[in-house]
Amino acid sequence: SAVISQKPSRDICQRGTSLTIQCQVDSQVTMMFWYRQQPGQSLTLIATANQGSEATYESGFVIDKFPISRPNLTFSTLTVSNLSPEDSSIYLCSVQQALTEAFFGQGTRLTVV
Amino acid sequence: ILNVEQSPQSLHVQEGDSTNFTCSFPSSNFYALHWYRWETAKSPEALFVMTLNGDEKKKGRISATLNTKEGYSYLYIKGSQPEDSATYLCAPQSNDYKLSFGAGTTVTVRA
Repeated sequence: SAVISQKPSRDICQRGTSLTIQCQVDSQVTMMFWYRQQPGQSLTLIATANQGSEATYESGFVIDKFPISRPNLTFSTLTVSNLSPEDSSIYLCSVQQALTEAFFGQGTRLTVV
Repeated sequence: ILNVEQSPQSLHVQEGDSTNFTCSFPSSNFYALHWYRWETAKSPEALFVMTLNGDEKKKGRISATLNTKEGYSYLYIKGSQPEDSATYLCAPQSNDYKLSFGAGTTVTVRA
């Protein structure tokens, strides 16, 4: 199992600013994932963050908008840049090993005003 | 990322009644099928990870079945309790290990 501490739990941000979300895992993991859930939508994978390499982004998501850091095997950050109201969502980090269950952070509820 | 459909989107159940709902997914490139429960203000919590056609798994009053050939899974809740109120997410896992989540079925159990 894995315990993930995700910060902040919620924030209200002005348009044009950025928010950085942090996830700390209590064990070393190879792959970390970042998801977004827009209102009324399903959890959508933003990118996969591997330690020592660039993050791999899914279709529709770009590094300039969602830069990710993965400095070691227990920590990752996701920045949501140049915020607009459409970025208002719940953001989740997750870890998973192959065929095992995924473990999630508590989520960050972002509101852009 | 796979196209996943969950039905119904929401349902209301009387306490003590049983219920079930479905998850449909593409049967090609199948690796595993995950079910999660997501309660408000909490992290999604894993219920089951299933891999084989015909798999049946049970956790307390909740159980799930898997048909990989036709691409569907059922989740059953027996004798619903208020604490079962949550959104239930299914997520097929493809052979690149990525999860594709459905929009979820939100269950509300009325006392």
